[in-house]
Parts: sequence; C-alpha cells; structure tokens
Amino acid sequence: RKEVEQDPGPFNVPEGATVAFNCTYSNSASQSFFWYRQDCRKEPKLLMSVYSSGNEDGRFTAQLNRASQYISLLIRDSKLSDSATYLCVVNEESGGYQKVTFGIGTKLQVIP
Amino acid sequence: DAEITQSPRHKITETGRQVTLACHQTWNHNNMFWYRQDLGHGLRLIHYSYGVQDTNKGEVSDGYSVSRSNTEDLPLTLESAASSQTSVYFCASSEGGFNQPQHFGDGTRLSIL
Repeated sequence: RKEVEQDPGPFNVPEGATVAFNCTYSNSASQSFFWYRQDCRKEPKLLMSVYSSGNEDGRFTAQLNRASQYISLLIRDSKLSDSATYLCVVNEESGGYQKVTFGIGTKLQVIP
Repeated sequence: DAEITQSPRHKITETGRQVTLACHQTWNHNNMFWYRQDLGHGLRLIHYSYGVQDTNKGEVSDGYSVSRSNTEDLPLTLESAASSQTSVYFCASSEGGFNQPQHFGDGTRLSIL
C-alpha cells in the first residue's frame, strides 16, 4: 500500500457544484497534514493546513479523520479558477527527522 | 518580500555532463528540499537539509548530490546527467518543526538529450 494515496481523477464538475477529494495515509503516527494546489507546469502552492477539528477557508473545508486515516478537501460553489491539481501532504517524524510525503494529486476540471 | 528562487528556469544539456541547479531562499528557513516531478509519480524527494552542513538522501537520490554551506542556498548537482533525469525539479523550504508547510520555488525544467 502506498504511504499516501489519492484518486488522480480527473474530476469534471460544472461551475457552482460542490466537490470533495479524499486522501488516505498509511502511517497512523502521521502528525500534520496539508492541501496544496498545483496549476499546470507551475509550482505547488499551499492551499491550507488540515487541523484535527477541521477547518474552513472561504469555500474550502478540510477535515481529518484519524480513525480511518484520511483527510478530505471540500470545495463549494466551484469556480472555473479552481481547475487545478490538488495534492495532499502528510508529515511524520522518522528517526528524529521530518518525513514529508506527497500524494500524486487529484485533477479537478471545472466546466462552464 | 521573502522568497525562494530557482535557476535556471529551463536547461537543455547532453548525457554525461555535470549539471548544477541553484536554489536560493531569503526566508532564513533551516529546512530545504529538492524534488523531481514526473508524470505518474507525483513529487519525489531527492535530497534534503535541516541546516548548514546537514544533507540527507531522499527517495530518489542516486545520481544527485547537494551541499549546504549557508542557510540560503542548496544547489543540486547531477554528477553525470542521464536521460532518465529529464524532469521538472522543484526546490522547497520550510521552518523547523514537524507542523510547518513547505514553500516551493518556480521549478527548473531540465532536458537531457
């Protein structure tokens, strides 16, 4: 099993729709979690951290389910500009060092 | 504003040549990372550093080396470039601690012919 797994998609959704992505991780000791957005041929950019209690930033909501070992990203009222690839990132401690693992990314295409 | 810059943005070279990609950050971050990104693989960690004189191998370190002589820079060297190293390379940095996100440079698109 991969350490961090995402459905690569693509998810094709109409403008205004709500869409959700999940990301599963294998190490129950993982400590911190993030969602990044990556536009085609550009660098990944931090979208939001994921907190244990869940957190919201405008139309975006991130949640963590430690029992089932997954994080989720919900996008409400999708805009054309939301079209991108969404990467989940899992941090864990490994031998006193930070180990960072990126998912392969889920591609979202918002359609007019 | 603090930033992280990579150079060059694009490079074409021949197999067997030595190539060095530069990464410079002005955030004064202790942690710096090099990744490569290829279709079907996502981001894969090449090398990383937690401070001056500290370097560590990542998942795909064969054929690459780094050095950290100051806080700001982590150059990535391909000792003898191979066509399999054609990729997009991203440098990133983060503050210390396990809960800090990484910030990425614009990337270097490297083609090895």
